[in-house]
Amino acid sequence: GAVVSQHPSRVICKSGTSVKIECRSLDFQATTMFWYRQFPKQSLMLMATSNEGSKATYEQGVEKDKFLINHASLTLSTLTVTSAHPEDSSFYICSAKATEYNSPLHFGNGTRLTVT
Amino acid sequence: QKEVEQNSGPLSVPEGAIASLNCTYSDRGSQSFFWYRQYSGKSPELIMFIYSNGDKEDGRFTAQLNKASQYVSLLIRDSQPSDSATYLCAVEPLREKLTFGTGTRLTIIP
Repeated sequence: GAVVSQHPSRVICKSGTSVKIECRSLDFQATTMFWYRQFPKQSLMLMATSNEGSKATYEQGVEKDKFLINHASLTLSTLTVTSAHPEDSSFYICSAKATEYNSPLHFGNGTRLTVT
Repeated sequence: QKEVEQNSGPLSVPEGAIASLNCTYSDRGSQSFFWYRQYSGKSPELIMFIYSNGDKEDGRFTAQLNKASQYVSLLIRDSQPSDSATYLCAVEPLREKLTFGTGTRLTIIP
């Protein structure tokens, strides 16, 4: 089955630093990847849609300059949380779907970010 | 506003019984329907997908779709404690991105 690999699984950083999270589709090509954030006991919140070779589309209320997304190839998208603050601490999950219509969305294992 | 609605639960079901999870959606143009399972602290995992009206069975899981009623459900037969999780319904309208419900928390009681 389709596998999405996300790294790191857990990261602790100091306030003001930047953190990069990688998302790779291992056995399929993904022209579109999605980045979600989830706070404890809350539902998934879509942050942005990442399209290969073009700028990401951000959801309302998500700061594009704070959450930098790069989708350089059909198998790799990265999310960089810049100048992280404690309120950015959350569970970040990437997902990807194959190019075929009706393909399901597959999720990475998520990255738990803690900003101290 | 296109919506996907689920009862947040918690839904408690005795071990061995059938768990029934329901989901309604507002966009009649929706084409694809998915059920994901999410354990606490983990990312969602795809359980089932269904595109056509009727039932689709996979092991202990059955997805049911009724487009006229804008209703999709997931049945889990012979429920096990390991089925305890939050179940997310997701709907994909034509040419639009996937929309998730808020999830139903299911607890299987041994």
